Amino acid sequence: GAVVSQHPSWVICKSGTSVKIECRSLDFQATTMFWYRQFPKQSLMLMATSNEGSKATYEQGVEKDKFLINHASLTLSTLTVTSAHPEDSSFYICSARDASGGHRQTQYFGPGTRLLVL
Amino acid sequence: GENVEQHPSTLSVQEGDSAVIKCTYSDSASNYFPWYKQELGKRPQLIIDIRSNVGEKKDQRIAVTLNKTAKHFSLHITETQPEDSAVYFCAARGDYKLSFGAGTTVTVRA
Repeated sequence: GAVVSQHPSWVICKSGTSVKIECRSLDFQATTMFWYRQFPKQSLMLMATSNEGSKATYEQGVEKDKFLINHASLTLSTLTVTSAHPEDSSFYICSARDASGGHRQTQYFGPGTRLLVL
Repeated sequence: GENVEQHPSTLSVQEGDSAVIKCTYSDSASNYFPWYKQELGKRPQLIIDIRSNVGEKKDQRIAVTLNKTAKHFSLHITETQPEDSAVYFCAARGDYKLSFGAGTTVTVRA
């Protein structure tokens, strides 16, 4: 299957700092990427949908000024957690949809980034 | 929006037995239903998916069935093995985004 990478895999930061997470589709183009947040023993909660070349679409209750999303190319989307606080500590996972051919609906996940805010 | 419910939340089976996980969805326009397996601390991995024009799909020990009229779909794992132990998520998509079930923690006892 298609490969999605995510960097960094884990990060520890001080409260008030900003953290940038990168998501890349390695062997396919992704016009749409998704950012999820997952708390321990819970399901994946969609935060926002990232569209290449346009503004992200945020889910209800997600602060767009706190979680900045940029999708500058067909293979890269970034999520920046601004002024992070301990309650932002979570597992952040990106996902990309392969828009080509018969895999038009298949969505592949990155390995996730574990964020710990002290 | 779409609402996906998944049952059971936990499932313990003896090695070699079958495991069945059931999901229901609310949006009749949903047309794509993937199943993901997630091991602790790892990414969700797509294990099988089904589209609304198909009623059943099988891949070795894994099968998925879809009942569009009743708006429910199920995952069947036969001849379970210890490596099948993980959290399984069902999902449904109508427009552009996936809605996930709450997950089922499957434990296969040796």
